[in-house]
Amino acid sequence: DIQITQSPSSLSASVGDRVTITCQASQDISTYLHWYQQKPGKAPTLLISDASNLESGVPSRFSGSGSGTDFKLTINSLQPEDFATYYCQQYDYLLRVTFGGGTKVEI
Amino acid sequence: QLQLQESGPGLVKPSQTLSLTCNVSGGSISSGTYYWSWIRQPAGKGPEYLARMYIDGSIDYNPSLKTRVTTDYSPSLKSRVTISGDTSKNQFFLTLNSVTAADTAVYYCVSSPNWSPVGFDIWGQGTLVTVSS
Repeated sequence: DIQITQSPSSLSASVGDRVTITCQASQDISTYLHWYQQKPGKAPTLLISDASNLESGVPSRFSGSGSGTDFKLTINSLQPEDFATYYCQQYDYLLRVTFGGGTKVEI
Repeated sequence: QLQLQESGPGLVKPSQTLSLTCNVSGGSISSGTYYWSWIRQPAGKGPEYLARMYIDGSIDYNPSLKTRVTTDYSPSLKSRVTISGDTSKNQFFLTLNSVTAADTAVYYCVSSPNWSPVGFDIWGQGTLVTVSS
């Protein structure tokens, strides 16, 4: 099975900061990786699909990059509503799914 | 607009069967437009994929033969989990057998578009299931 390692597990940042979260897959997964945001008590929401495709309605300060084994989620100019937990989710050619452990972005 | 809503008991005893229902509105589970999944999340942990179902809208549905329905299960739970649907009620279901405390989690029903089967873009609000005697 493909393993996914997300880092850091938590980070502290301020409004206006640029934040980068990484996910590393144990083998080449091309661009088969999605990013989600989850706020306390709420379901996750899909932010970025297939490594770099911004979902409709997601602010342009969010961006995703990477392919193969290394991926990044970048938030430019962090806003108060961006404080949340972020998860990556990888899938393989058989559509087997694994989520990362999450990154909590705190003030 | 597609909306999903989970329902089911909040408390299940160890060794018993957990059964959840997802009520779908704003779209048909048999249209072939969406995949239908269950995902759970233990407190303080990341989400865990459980199962996925797809009903092919291009084939006549035979409920006794369950034609045109394809399913997928997490390898780690495959022996205990079943996903199914009722097209007449526009609902789909999760059953999980022989539950233990480790199955305590918030359970979400989720949909994804047919062009991105595991891009989970619509989530229910989630329902907390606690396994305890």
